[in-house]
Amino acid sequence: DQQVKQNSPSLSVQEGRISILNCDYTNSMFDYFLWYKKYPAEGPTFLISISSIKDKNEDGRFTVFLNKSAKHLSLHIVPSQPGDSAVYFCAARSGGSQGNLIFGKGTKLSVKP
Amino acid sequence: NAGVMQNPRHLVRRRGQEARLRCSPVKGHSHVYWYRQLPEEGLKFMVYLQKENIIDESGMPKERFSAEFPKEGPSILRIQQVVRGDSAAYFCASSPADGNYGYTFGSGTRLTVV
Repeated sequence: DQQVKQNSPSLSVQEGRISILNCDYTNSMFDYFLWYKKYPAEGPTFLISISSIKDKNEDGRFTVFLNKSAKHLSLHIVPSQPGDSAVYFCAARSGGSQGNLIFGKGTKLSVKP
Repeated sequence: NAGVMQNPRHLVRRRGQEARLRCSPVKGHSHVYWYRQLPEEGLKFMVYLQKENIIDESGMPKERFSAEFPKEGPSILRIQQVVRGDSAAYFCASSPADGNYGYTFGSGTRLTVV
């Protein structure tokens, strides 16, 4: 029973174009959402987050959008760069500031030069 | 190095042996989380610990797995009598006590059971 779903296992985009990674969730009690980036043989690294009281958060080339009514969030990367090629995990948290994170299965992004 | 340190990076065990995975959190972080990643899967929560206390172990298998985070020293994830299905990457993360929402992850321990 997956509470956080990333339905696209992979995504390929051209350098300079926009990458859009999607994530759906089922638990309306989630109050915080995060995106992590993972290179092979390394641990995930925190990328960007959004509170459930907001609908958008932007940090440089990265923007996360949250649609609570649809229980959907997306990560936009623009412009995409070859160094962005990695696996991106969506994560959600419930249970207060120290609740554990629930991760999706990840989307492998490939940015072609 | 101010990051989360996990060792060993790679661990090979024969079926029936014990595996001990170590995690030193970021200095000053008092919360530790263990996650497991099976091939082609996402990160699955296992256990959340604070110093000397297990806060949430809802993701831990009921048998053979245990975790501790002693007052002194690293957090240890222990797997007894390993089986092939335990082969996975095990990631540790830490966070401070002040409600920081983003964890810092270690590079993981890749356990292979032969």
